[in-house]
Amino acid sequence: DTGVSQDPRHKITKRGQNVTFRCDPISEHNRLYWYRQTLGQGPEFLTYFQNEAQLEKSRLLSDRFSAERPKGSFSTLEIQRTEQGDSAMYLCASSPGTAGTRPHYEQYFGPGTRLTVT
Amino acid sequence: KNEVEQSPQNLTAQEGEFITINCSYSVGISALHWLQQHPGGGIVSLFMLSSGKKKHGRLIATINIQEKHSSLHITASHPRDSAVYTCAVDYGGSQGNLIFGKGTKLSVKP
Repeated sequence: DTGVSQDPRHKITKRGQNVTFRCDPISEHNRLYWYRQTLGQGPEFLTYFQNEAQLEKSRLLSDRFSAERPKGSFSTLEIQRTEQGDSAMYLCASSPGTAGTRPHYEQYFGPGTRLTVT
Repeated sequence: KNEVEQSPQNLTAQEGEFITINCSYSVGISALHWLQQHPGGGIVSLFMLSSGKKKHGRLIATINIQEKHSSLHITASHPRDSAVYTCAVDYGGSQGNLIFGKGTKLSVKP
């Protein structure tokens, strides 16, 4: 399967614990996005990588959240000191496209990681 | 404030019916995406368009740039079309992140 993969698919954690999610994009895709989706809402943008550079962060991404994409391949999203309000589906998407280019590309989504904070 | 509005939020149809889902947005965009998510499944991109109309099988997507409005049509609907359909817009920033509507939950009864 050469699609976007995410791990784990489900995570249950106690409030105050740290969690880390991983996303493996389609291998030739330069762009990687993290979104968060809560029940009954559409996904909301969290952050964007162009290769290994994190170029954009939403105001939704508080200082408890950090994301990395070392070597421009897989990405990790870490949430420190989780709160119940962090419970959501965390989606990763990738697309082709280099910095500064504006042809429009489809985004390919992973299956998501569902986080439940108890 | 959600800048992308979809209607209806929920839609129940009988098999064979023609279905229309609407999406409106507030300012000029570079592209609009229609996405599908089956229960328990991942998000799949159906269409990306910036003008005119696209067709794939029984699915048709149209966009009117002047009216800031797009529609997704499903002809001869089938129970396997039951899913959440979401429109998302690219407002043209350098990064291409999407702003999503809340989705339309479609249920097609046999």
